[in-house]
Amino acid sequence: ETGVTQSPTHLIKTRGQQVTLRCSSQSGHNTVSWYQQALGQGPQFIFQYYREEENGRGNFPPRFSGLQFPNYSSELNVNALELDDSALYLCASRPPQDYGYTFGSGTRLTVV
Amino acid sequence: AQRVTQPEKLLSVFKGAPVELKCNYSYSGSPELFWYVQYSRQRLQLLLRHISRESIKGFTADLNKGETSFHLKKPFAQEEDSAMYYCAAFQGAQKLVFGQGTRLTINP
Repeated sequence: ETGVTQSPTHLIKTRGQQVTLRCSSQSGHNTVSWYQQALGQGPQFIFQYYREEENGRGNFPPRFSGLQFPNYSSELNVNALELDDSALYLCASRPPQDYGYTFGSGTRLTVV
Repeated sequence: AQRVTQPEKLLSVFKGAPVELKCNYSYSGSPELFWYVQYSRQRLQLLLRHISRESIKGFTADLNKGETSFHLKKPFAQEEDSAMYYCAAFQGAQKLVFGQGTRLTINP
């Protein structure tokens, strides 16, 4: 069991730029979710992928997009970065019929 | 709207004292409920879930459907219990919704 791995751990971007965050899930975890956690807040759901298709989305604009690949890896892409996008981004995955998600350590994104 | 509420942002108790972290949920139907914990410099990890009715690290959580609550309890707190605790709810194969979290500090 290798867990959920996220890269990079830290990232600094300039307002207006684009960023791609990556996640590698455990084998068999065909559902992956992405969360944004601002300082002092609980994680906020961005979107979820199941078998490479988005099947749930939170209250985030379209400039937040994602991909899931057959090898259990996934990406979160954010275009036109804003200062308020500065946060910890968490990836979480789970196997079928088990709703207990396994979380990665997160990517700390700072937008300046 | 689906919501999970943790009314206490901070909770401080002495070692050996009982601890209770409160969680209330606002859902129609019967969501599946979880407690997640984040120790210092570690990732968020699942502590327990209501369907398992288990005790993990001495913690238990009772689902009260009448009060729509899922409070986390431990009879005797230990210093290693100091962490951030999040209550979360899941329904209908949709998103996991988290509360704001409670920072628990156990004083020696």
